[in-house]
Amino acid sequence: NAGVTQTPKFRILKIGQSMTLQCTQDMNHNYMYWYRQDPGMGLKLIYYSVGAGITDKGEVPNGYNVSRSTTEDFPLRLELAAPSQTSVYFCASSDLAGVNNEQFFGPGTRLTVL
Amino acid sequence: AQKITQTQPGMFVQEKEAVTLDCTYDTSDPSYGLFWYKQPSSGEMIFLIYQGSYDQQNATEGRYSLNFQKARKSANLVISASQLGDSAMYFCAMKKIDISSGSARQLTFGSGTQLTVLP
Repeated sequence: NAGVTQTPKFRILKIGQSMTLQCTQDMNHNYMYWYRQDPGMGLKLIYYSVGAGITDKGEVPNGYNVSRSTTEDFPLRLELAAPSQTSVYFCASSDLAGVNNEQFFGPGTRLTVL
Repeated sequence: AQKITQTQPGMFVQEKEAVTLDCTYDTSDPSYGLFWYKQPSSGEMIFLIYQGSYDQQNATEGRYSLNFQKARKSANLVISASQLGDSAMYFCAMKKIDISSGSARQLTFGSGTQLTVLP
């Protein structure tokens, strides 16, 4: 199993540009998550999904959109990139959503907005 | 809101010695889970160890153990016999049941501790 994969690994955007961060998992997990990690900080939840067709906002959703058309894929869309969105983005998945269920993380996408 | 506090931005330890990384949390819920993740300089998040609020014994995973003191709301990570490869950022995180959904979806992270192992 590849686990959770993310593309691209790095990206530089200009202010106002848009892009989609891709996330795919091959573990047949129902739950998927997008986090951002600002320099020197912990991760904050942007959006999550409990299954295909169902998404919901996390702690910091402004400026982002998501969709979940399949169990495997959970892309994150930035419509109008802003310097405040410079961050490292992590996608994660889990099979269940109990307090004891580990979330498996992808390798991250480092995004810089200039 | 749930909160995780890691008060040590940076720690140094001599190779082969033990080190304790502090983590305190704030919740009034009876059911929650505590996780520790390692983030090396390459950036990936590596799961290390889990402790459930109802677990009677402290969790252990190889050289990692969790010193869980429920009354003090602390879940410190102990790394025994430190190795150079342990140099990384370490995050404490918590999951608890979301009242509206009845499930524990969100991991709340602390700000991390940068551990450096000295040769």
